[in-house]
Amino acid sequence: SQTIHQWPATLVQPVGSPLSLECTVEGTSNPNLYWYRQAAGRGLQLLFYSVGIGQISSEVPQNLSASRPQDRQFILSSKKLLLSDSGFYLCACETGGSYEQYFGPGTRLTVT
Amino acid sequence: DQQVKQNSPSLSVQEGRISILNCDYTNSMFDYFLWYKKYPAEGPTFLISISSIKDKNEDGRFTVFLNKSAKHLSLHIVPSQPGDSAVYFCAASPNSGNTPLVFGKGTRLSVIA
Repeated sequence: SQTIHQWPATLVQPVGSPLSLECTVEGTSNPNLYWYRQAAGRGLQLLFYSVGIGQISSEVPQNLSASRPQDRQFILSSKKLLLSDSGFYLCACETGGSYEQYFGPGTRLTVT
Repeated sequence: DQQVKQNSPSLSVQEGRISILNCDYTNSMFDYFLWYKKYPAEGPTFLISISSIKDKNEDGRFTVFLNKSAKHLSLHIVPSQPGDSAVYFCAASPNSGNTPLVFGKGTRLSVIA
């Protein structure tokens, strides 16, 4: 079964600073990969998903971007963070045409 | 437009009793439904799922019921345990692969000892 790694686990960044969150997947190949954000007291908001290397679909226009440089690597970035970017960022993986998505442990981002 | 709705943001249940979490959907093209459980500061974990060709799926203490005509599904937990206290998300998919799941906003379940 697949294992999803995310780092860092927690991050405190000032407004206007850049961001790079990384997600890597083990135990599978050609996964669909997803970035979600959960703001405090809110549900899961889909940010980006990717069905293959270099293929990124954006669900919400904002100052975040995503890239997939390798099959099992998914990166979430920002050039300048906003206070509203604070939240819990989750990477998820789906494989083999299955419906189930499996989530990583998440990154807690606090923008100050 | 919210296609998957969990209208109860929270639910409290006594230990040993039944917990019933509800979910409604609007898109008749959804054909697969899932429930996830999430503890604070952790990623959601897959709990149980059901295909639209079924009306019930059971796994231990967890049972999911699907009423397609009402576009409604529910998750039953019997008996409820304190460790079940978490946020539960309902999710739906219109087809397999390459289509993101649509999640509800979640219901926080508190099981009181």
